[in-house]
Amino acid sequence: EVQLVQSGAEVKKPGESLKISCKGSGYSFTSYWIGWVRQMPGKGLEWMGIIYPGDSDTRYSPSFQGQVTISADKSISTAYLQWSSLKASDTAMYYCASSGGGWLQFSYWGQGTLVTVSS
Amino acid sequence: QSALTQPASVSGSPGQSITISCTGTSSDVGGYNYVSWYQQHPGKAPKLMIYDVSNRPSGVSNRFSGSKSGNTASLTISGLQAEDEADYYCSSYTSSSISYVVFGGGTKLTVL
Repeated sequence: EVQLVQSGAEVKKPGESLKISCKGSGYSFTSYWIGWVRQMPGKGLEWMGIIYPGDSDTRYSPSFQGQVTISADKSISTAYLQWSSLKASDTAMYYCASSGGGWLQFSYWGQGTLVTVSS
Repeated sequence: QSALTQPASVSGSPGQSITISCTGTSSDVGGYNYVSWYQQHPGKAPKLMIYDVSNRPSGVSNRFSGSKSGNTASLTISGLQAEDEADYYCSSYTSSSISYVVFGGGTKLTVL
């Protein structure tokens, strides 16, 4: 069974850095794309970007390019989403999700990581 | 970078059919057969319901179907049930200078 388990909720201050994680299990981690989706409070889904752990090929939405970094450590089957300097507007639920194959749809989802940025 | 356009809300009675539209452009919905639909219940992660315009993943009820005409994709739910009440999002591959995926703004389905 494919499972994606995300790290726990975070409360940070503006300007701080953060790296959240998503650990995959039940499949060959290097064979499926893993992406990140943002959902701001009371708002819709936003596709942020995606990485292929097999070769670290990474694609970003123009809205998030340069704002976040997506990475993966295939030795521990874990993908990451990181910020170097958080803003209050980064407050949101962040989901990792995997395609189960190509990168154009997400078949498997993590439980979400709530990030709160407040002074 | 604009989100695909969906109606904010739709409603229907149990047993009825409803259709949710998702309008894009020739650079996304109209240009490729890579439209997906997701269902999200409050406080839960989204669930893939349709991919590649009209394909259902294993385990998804055949009451859910997808189609596309021009720049508009549609999700139809037949035989509405109370548990279908949720938010629905479309997504599409898009390619201009770079390739990525874009979501629609979401549609709240109310089962009356």
